[in-house]
Amino acid sequence: QQQVKQSPQSLIVQKGGISIINCAYENTAFDYFPWYQQFPGKGPALLIAIRPDVSEKKEGRFTISFNKSAKQFSLHIMDSQPGDSATYFCAATMEGGSEKLVFGKGMKLTVNP
Amino acid sequence: DAGITQSPRHKVTETGTPVTLRCHQTENHRYMYWYRQDPGHGLRLIHYSYGVKDTDKGEVSDGYSVSRSKTEDFLLTLESATSSQTSVYFCAISRGGRNTEAFFGQGTRLTVV
Repeated sequence: QQQVKQSPQSLIVQKGGISIINCAYENTAFDYFPWYQQFPGKGPALLIAIRPDVSEKKEGRFTISFNKSAKQFSLHIMDSQPGDSATYFCAATMEGGSEKLVFGKGMKLTVNP
Repeated sequence: DAGITQSPRHKVTETGTPVTLRCHQTENHRYMYWYRQDPGHGLRLIHYSYGVKDTDKGEVSDGYSVSRSKTEDFLLTLESATSSQTSVYFCAISRGGRNTEAFFGQGTRLTVV
């Protein structure tokens, strides 16, 4: 079964627009939720992460919103730039346990100039 | 980039042959992981290690084995390669603990013909 569900699978936005990626999880034991960014031909790299004790975290143009009761979290990319074109993965893990990261299926973002 | 080296970077092999992929780290991180990335499936965990000689299965472990005889090396072996194992394989490492970040290698593109 898929423990982390991500949507949409792909998204095309214009430069300057807002990109929104949604994720939902099932396991309430998850306590750390990172987002990874992957460019073609490269490995994923950590973009931003959140813990369930806060509802929002912002780093520059990137914001995570977290809804613990709904078991959902989302990534908002403000003022999207062509350089943001990449694949984005949400993930979840239980810290202090096996430290395994469970990933969503990914979303390919294209930002048109 | 985190000190992770995957080898080889590309490999074409025939069905039924054994294949070994190597992940080498210079960070002395405790945890090491092997993921495979396929279109429509995202990143799926094959096996992981939480210490020397300590390994466990992930969600897609059938047909794969791993070994970790030294902190720095984590080997993934396809015992008898099949076409369904054609994929991009990523090694990742993490220190573990609170807010830990997983660092990914550059990936190995494996084609089984």
